[in-house]
This record gives sequence, structure tokens and C-alpha cells, in this order.
Amino acid sequence: DQQVKQNSPSLSVQEGRISILNCDYTNSMFDYFLWYKKYPAEGPTFLISISSIKDKNEDGRFTVFLNKSAKHLSLHIVPSQPGDSAVYFCAASEPSGGSYIPTFGRGTSLIVHP
Amino acid sequence: EAGVTQSPTHLIKTRGQQATLRCSPISGHTSVYWYQQALGLGLQFLLWYDEGEERNRGNFPPRFSGRQFPNYSSELNVNALELEDSALYLCASSFGRVNQPQHFGDGTRLSIL
Repeated sequence: DQQVKQNSPSLSVQEGRISILNCDYTNSMFDYFLWYKKYPAEGPTFLISISSIKDKNEDGRFTVFLNKSAKHLSLHIVPSQPGDSAVYFCAASEPSGGSYIPTFGRGTSLIVHP
Repeated sequence: EAGVTQSPTHLIKTRGQQATLRCSPISGHTSVYWYQQALGLGLQFLLWYDEGEERNRGNFPPRFSGRQFPNYSSELNVNALELEDSALYLCASSFGRVNQPQHFGDGTRLSIL
């Protein structure tokens, strides 16, 4: 059973508009959440993270929102650019015996068209 | 600063053979993680090494094994290869046992014929 779900396999957005990528999780012990971006033939690249003690974290055009009661987080990209076209993975981790191994969603493919 | 490097980029094997994949972490990182990404699936956690010891493993059979060397580089070994082992194998590194983002290499594409 997937503990981290990205229910939208793909998303298409026009350049300059907002991209909103969503992620749901089921494990209430998760306390650290991350977003990664992956281009074809490359490994995932870390984008932004958020701890469960916060509900928002910003880094330039990227903002992550966390709603703990709904077990939901989202990544907002404003404004979207064609270079943002990639697969975005949501990940979550919990402290367990000294390990912090994130559980990944299956990814959402974002296409930003001019 | 060099990122995580993996070799080879591509590897073609036949059923029953053994495969060895290699990973060099970012300088200063002591933890190495291995993931499998099969077609259409997310990243599935395989193994975690820290300070030369296996600290955790995912839900994979024992024919998936590995080790971490004193310089923190790592090998992933897959024995008795099966067709379903065809996937992208990603290595990531991070600082020790702290909650920090992992940094990934570009992966090894393993194809089983």
C-alpha cells in the first residue's frame, strides 16, 4: 500500500502561470517532506523541503505547503517556465531507529508549454 | 564539488548472471542509499549504508546485496538476475544519520535480456 501518493500522473501548464503539484500521505509519523525534480537521463535533484513544525516554506519560485490535518502537501511553482518541465517526486520520512529513509511517490510529469 | 557518481551508465546482462553497480558519494557524505526505479513506478528503497555498515534494507530478496568501503563508496550486487530486475538503479548520499536531503547520481540502467 502506497504511503505517499501523487494522484496526478501528469500536469500541463502554460508558461507564466502557476503550477500546483499535489501529494497525499497516510503515515502520521512522517515529519519531514521533500520535493525532487527529475529530468530524463538524470538523477532526481532536491528542490525544497519542509519540516512538520512548519506549514509553509519558500525558495524563490518554489513554495511548499503542508496541511498536517489533511495529510497533504503541495508544491507551487510561480511563475512556471518551460525549463520546469520534468517529473516531480514527493517524498516523506519519519525518524525510525536513527534512519531517515524517505518514501517516494510515483511522480507527476509537469509540462510547461510556451 | 563533484556530485554523486555512478558507474556504469548502462549495463546489459542475461538471466541468471550477476551484476555489480558502483557509487561514489559526495565528499564528506557518510551515508549511501540505493533505490530501484522500475518503469512506471516510484523509487523503491533497496539498501542504506552508513559508516561502512548496512543500516537498513527494503523489501527486496537477499540476492540484492552490497557493501560500503572505507572511503564511503559503495557497490550494489544483484545475483541470479531475473527479467524483472530491469530498472534504473539510483544511488544517493547524505550526511550521516540526520534528516537531510539526499543527493542522487544519474543512475545505472540495468537491462536483463
